[in-house]
Amino acid sequence: GAVVSQHPSWVICKSGTSVKIECRSLDFQATTMFWYRQFPKQSLMLMATSNEGSKATYEQGVEKDKFLINHASLTLSTLTVTSAHPEDSSFYICSAKGQTMEKLFFGSGTQLSVL
Amino acid sequence: DQQVKQNSPSLSVQEGRISILNCDYTNSMFDYFLWYKKYPAEGPTFLISISSIKDKNEDGRFTVFLNKSAKHLSLHIVPSQPGDSAVYFCAASGLTGGFKTIFGAGTRLFVKA
Repeated sequence: GAVVSQHPSWVICKSGTSVKIECRSLDFQATTMFWYRQFPKQSLMLMATSNEGSKATYEQGVEKDKFLINHASLTLSTLTVTSAHPEDSSFYICSAKGQTMEKLFFGSGTQLSVL
Repeated sequence: DQQVKQNSPSLSVQEGRISILNCDYTNSMFDYFLWYKKYPAEGPTFLISISSIKDKNEDGRFTVFLNKSAKHLSLHIVPSQPGDSAVYFCAASGLTGGFKTIFGAGTRLFVKA
């Protein structure tokens, strides 16, 4: 199956700093990428959808100025958590799909801990 | 409004027996359904899918059944193995919502040796 690489797999940062998470499709062109967060023992919560070359579409309740998403190329999308606070600590996961794909392929996730 | 529902948060099954995970959906415009398996601190991995034009799809030990009239699908794992212990997410997508994939809350499967 297709491969999606997500980096870093875990990060610890101080409150007030910004953290960037990268999501790369290694063997296909990802026309659409999705970003999710998951709290312990809860489902995946879709945060935003990004299409290559256009602005991301954020789900209701997700602050676009806090969670900056960039999808500048067909193989890379980034999520930047700006001015992170302890309540932003969570497991963040990206997924990607190509234009002709019906399946999503997921990254391995990033565990963010904000101290 | 939960469009994809997995009403059982957990399921415990003996090794070698059948595991049946259920999923209900409300949006009749969904036309593609997927099951993902997730281990702790890892991203979900695709398991099996089914198009709305079918009512069954089988892949090894995994079979997905779709009942469109009841808006219900199920994942059967037979025989269940301890390595199958994970959280299983049901997901649905379709033209409505721009092919956005909607996930259920997940069911945690425990397979006892």
